[in-house]
Amino acid sequence: GAVVSQHPSRVICKSGTSVKIECRSLDFQATTMFWYRQFPKQSLMLMATSNEGSKATYEQGVEKDKFLINHASLTLSTLTVTSAHPEDSSFYICSAKGTGNQPQHFGDGTRLSIL
Amino acid sequence: DQQVKQNSPSLSVQEGRISILNCDYTNSMFDYFLWYKKYPAEGPTFLISISSIKDKNEDGRFTVFLNKSAKHLSLHIVPSQPGDSAVYFCAAMSGSSNTGKLIFGQGTTLQVKP
Repeated sequence: GAVVSQHPSRVICKSGTSVKIECRSLDFQATTMFWYRQFPKQSLMLMATSNEGSKATYEQGVEKDKFLINHASLTLSTLTVTSAHPEDSSFYICSAKGTGNQPQHFGDGTRLSIL
Repeated sequence: DQQVKQNSPSLSVQEGRISILNCDYTNSMFDYFLWYKKYPAEGPTFLISISSIKDKNEDGRFTVFLNKSAKHLSLHIVPSQPGDSAVYFCAAMSGSSNTGKLIFGQGTTLQVKP
């Protein structure tokens, strides 16, 4: 089946650090990638949608200058949490989707802990 | 405004019996529905989907039923196995939006007891 790789799986860093998370589709071309955030015992909340070669579309309430998204190729999207603070600590998950009515396939997520 | 709701946060069933997970939605524009399974510290894994032109889709032990008039869908797992213990999310999408954007429910934690 389709495989999406997300790296790193866990990050612990000091407040003020910028953190980059990579999302790669390994065996298909992802025309669209999505970034989600999940708080404990809550649903996955969509943060932004990115299409290869164009600017990401952010959901309401998500700061685009805080969460920088780059979708440089059909197999790679990155999310950079800039100047991270403890309130940014969360579980971030990416997904990738090919063309047509195909389901999104998810990475294994990144647990971000800001001290 | 929760457009996709899973009102049961948890469900416990005995191995071999049927597990029924429910999901309700409010947006009549949704026309494609998916179920994902998630283990702790992992990303969701796609299980099964259904288009709004159907009322049932079956794949092995998993069957999804859709009742459009009631805006309700359910996932049946039979027979349930201990390895099915996980969090199950239903998700909905509007095909006309062209973005593939999914709206997720809050999830239901299924525990299958041996």
